[in-house]
Amino acid sequence: QQQVKQSPQSLIVQKGGISIINCAYENTAFDYFPWYQQFPGKGPALLIAIRPDVSEKKEGRFTISFNKSAKQFSLHIMDSQPGDSATYFCAATDSWGKLQFGAGTQVVVTP
Amino acid sequence: NAGVTQTPKFQVLKTGQSMTLQCAQDMNHEYMSWYRQDPGMGLRLIHYSVGAGITDQGEVPNGYNVSRSTTEDFPLRLLSAAPSQTSVYFCASSPITGAGANVLTFGAGSRLTVL
Repeated sequence: QQQVKQSPQSLIVQKGGISIINCAYENTAFDYFPWYQQFPGKGPALLIAIRPDVSEKKEGRFTISFNKSAKQFSLHIMDSQPGDSATYFCAATDSWGKLQFGAGTQVVVTP
Repeated sequence: NAGVTQTPKFQVLKTGQSMTLQCAQDMNHEYMSWYRQDPGMGLRLIHYSVGAGITDQGEVPNGYNVSRSTTEDFPLRLLSAAPSQTSVYFCASSPITGAGANVLTFGAGSRLTVL
């Protein structure tokens, strides 16, 4: 049973558009919520992360929105580019540091 | 720095065979872990270690063994491979404390096929 539920499974967005990926969790002990980006044939790499004491974090074109009361968080990719085409994983962990990953979202940005 | 190095990159086994996936990191990270990645399932934690001589089970440990004799190495052993273990395996490490805590550095993966 996955502790972090991620949607959609895949999405296609045009260049310049906004990609939105949503995640939900149940374990209120989770206190760190990273997003990882994975290109084909590579291992995942940290993209951006947030802690529950803030509601939003922005790094360049990537923004995490966090809703603690709803136990949901989302990744927004603004001005999506073909180079953003990848699989994105949300994750969560408690103080023990064992990351629980969502199922992943394959993002395709068309020219 | 090499980061996290996994070998082999590809392996084909027959049911019942044993093998070891190797993982080495040169960042002096205390925490090391193994994940398997399957379509639609994300990354699932198999085993992890918070230091030499210390290992623990993750979400899907059955059929796998690990040991941690040094800080650098964390091999994953399949004692009797089964087709259900066909997957892509990732080793990842991180420091336990400090700014990099919980930031996993992943290897490039090992693709295993069990016939």
